[in-house]
Amino acid sequence: NAGVTQTPKFQVLKTGQSMTLQCAQDMNHNSMYWYRQDPGMGLRLIYYSASEGTTDKGEVPNGYNVSRLNKREFSLRLESAAPSQTSVYFCASSLDGGVIDEQFFGPGTRLTVL
Amino acid sequence: GIQVEQSPPDLILQEGANSTLRCNFSDSVNNLQWFHQNPWGQLINLFYIPSGTKQNGRLSATTVATERYSLLYISSSQTTDSGVYFCAASPGYTGGFKTIFGAGTRLFVKA
Repeated sequence: NAGVTQTPKFQVLKTGQSMTLQCAQDMNHNSMYWYRQDPGMGLRLIYYSASEGTTDKGEVPNGYNVSRLNKREFSLRLESAAPSQTSVYFCASSLDGGVIDEQFFGPGTRLTVL
Repeated sequence: GIQVEQSPPDLILQEGANSTLRCNFSDSVNNLQWFHQNPWGQLINLFYIPSGTKQNGRLSATTVATERYSLLYISSSQTTDSGVYFCAASPGYTGGFKTIFGAGTRLFVKA
């Protein structure tokens, strides 16, 4: 039981390049989330997926797109990376975010945009 | 939207000391969690505690939802307790889908 996994662990991009961050969970959770964490700060919600087939914006969605591929997988795409998107990205999942939302986090992806 | 404030921002303890971390939130919440982010960046679930009191070993937490605060108690601190402690809350009217994190309490435990 791996919990929440993320790939890659580290990535360096040049301004304007695109990439997709992958996330998968094996806990049969309905809800999934993408957060970013900037140095010295707490996490901020980028996008979430309440259930398979639905996605919605969080606090800081600009510059990102997401896909809920199936119940297990939730990907985050940067179409044209900018230095302001340098951050650590965390994926999380919860059984049912609408009612009981104990969230479990992946190990994170450290992204640097030059 | 809901605001989550944590205090103190930084804390230095001698090994074996006790401490209390506080989390205030500005609106009613459905969900309240405490996390420990270790020095390697991993987020570890400590408590899911929208109300009441829970204990797990040397750690315990209390949330008083009517007064909009939560406390995390660390007793007999150890160097492995070092890291950043976050509380995260989501408003009652949206369930968990608008979770807001506090800025964290950075704890350093000296040997």
